[in-house]
Amino acid sequence: NAGVTQTPKFQVLKTGQSMTLQCAQDMNHEYMSWYRQDPGMGLRLIHYSVGAGITDQGEVPNGYNVSRSTTEDFPLRLLSAAPSQTSVYFCASSYGGTSLNIQYFGAGTRLSVL
Amino acid sequence: GENVEQHPSTLSVQEGDSAVIKCTYSDSASNYFPWYKQELGKRPQLIIDIRSNVGEKKDQRIAVTLNKTAKHFSLHITETQPEDSAVYFCAASSSFSFGNEKLTFGTGTRLTIIP
Repeated sequence: NAGVTQTPKFQVLKTGQSMTLQCAQDMNHEYMSWYRQDPGMGLRLIHYSVGAGITDQGEVPNGYNVSRSTTEDFPLRLLSAAPSQTSVYFCASSYGGTSLNIQYFGAGTRLSVL
Repeated sequence: GENVEQHPSTLSVQEGDSAVIKCTYSDSASNYFPWYKQELGKRPQLIIDIRSNVGEKKDQRIAVTLNKTAKHFSLHITETQPEDSAVYFCAASSSFSFGNEKLTFGTGTRLTIIP
């Protein structure tokens, strides 16, 4: 199993550009989530999904969209990139929700918005 | 929503000494408390977790304690080694309904082990 795979690893955008961060897992996990990590602020939940077709907002959802058409994939879309979205983004998955099983993190995507 | 506070933000200890990191949470409904270790440039990885029906859990040099009344939990690392140097995050899971648990993280503690 590859686990949780994120692409790209690095990305530089200009303000106003859009892009999609990809996340895929091959563990048949129901629960997937996106976090952003900023210095001194820990990991903050952006959006999460408890299964295909079901998504919900986390702590910092503004400026991001998600969809979950399959169990395996959970892409994160930046609609119009802003410098405030410069961050490291982590995707994570678990079998049955955060309180039931371990969350497995991807390697992260380092995004810079100029 | 849930709020998790973590202290200290940085911690330096001599190799072989113990390290303690403390977290408090606000939502009394939280029932799952994991600890993650993140090495420089790497992804967070679970090192130990505890559920609300348990007061203490130990795994070799690492232990976690939970005080539900006071709403705080702590990570204890004994006989520290250089490879323990990393950023450690605590987290709490607040369940709104089955399948809708959200994991709230603390702001992290940078632990440095001094040889």
